[in-house]
Amino acid sequence: GQSLEQPSEVTAVEGAIVQINCTYQTSGFYGLSWYQQHDGGAPTFLSYNALDGLEETGRFSSFLSRSDSYGYLLLQELQMKDSASYFCAVNQAGTALIFGKGTTLSVSS
Amino acid sequence: GAGVSQSPRYKVTKRGQDVALRCDPISGHVSLYWYRQALGQGPEFLTYFNYEAQQDKSGLPNDRFSAERPEGSISTLTIQRTEQRDSAMYRCASSTDRSLSGANVLTFGAGSRLTVL
Repeated sequence: GQSLEQPSEVTAVEGAIVQINCTYQTSGFYGLSWYQQHDGGAPTFLSYNALDGLEETGRFSSFLSRSDSYGYLLLQELQMKDSASYFCAVNQAGTALIFGKGTTLSVSS
Repeated sequence: GAGVSQSPRYKVTKRGQDVALRCDPISGHVSLYWYRQALGQGPEFLTYFNYEAQQDKSGLPNDRFSAERPEGSISTLTIQRTEQRDSAMYRCASSTDRSLSGANVLTFGAGSRLTVL
């Protein structure tokens, strides 16, 4: 089987930096994806890491350590519009993306 | 189409009725996925197709649930003899990636919210 663990809630203020961690247990691991979902909306793709290290896309970065079965999403210069749920998801052999339960990020002014 | 289209957006039905949820993926996307999402939870995998072939249906909760994609484009998820516990948002997603080994970026539809009374 597979499992993913991520914090259920994170709060931060505008302009701050926040890190959302994700640990996973799975077999046939290919990579770790991150999706964002605003209230009432559909999940949208943010990033994918197949190799160890940091991938940067604008204000958002994602990190993977395959040996530690661990990754994180780093959001910098937080804006109110970043308030959303963030899901890590494992890409693995033989099946579709498996999502974590999500982390609700609340950004206040 | 420009995005993944799902219908109906909202469906209210009585326990015991059958429902059919439709998904029209992005044109040219060969892979199509069905997920179920409860409030405050992540998407839960149900089944997926490459073209018209159902590749994995291990996530379907029981034999009341079935899905098809007969011509490799539009897909229908059917729930027979609905129960209250089936109430959820049902999301369809499509992808250009046939292989699961890459990023396999999923584009999700707006979902069909099913309420079983």
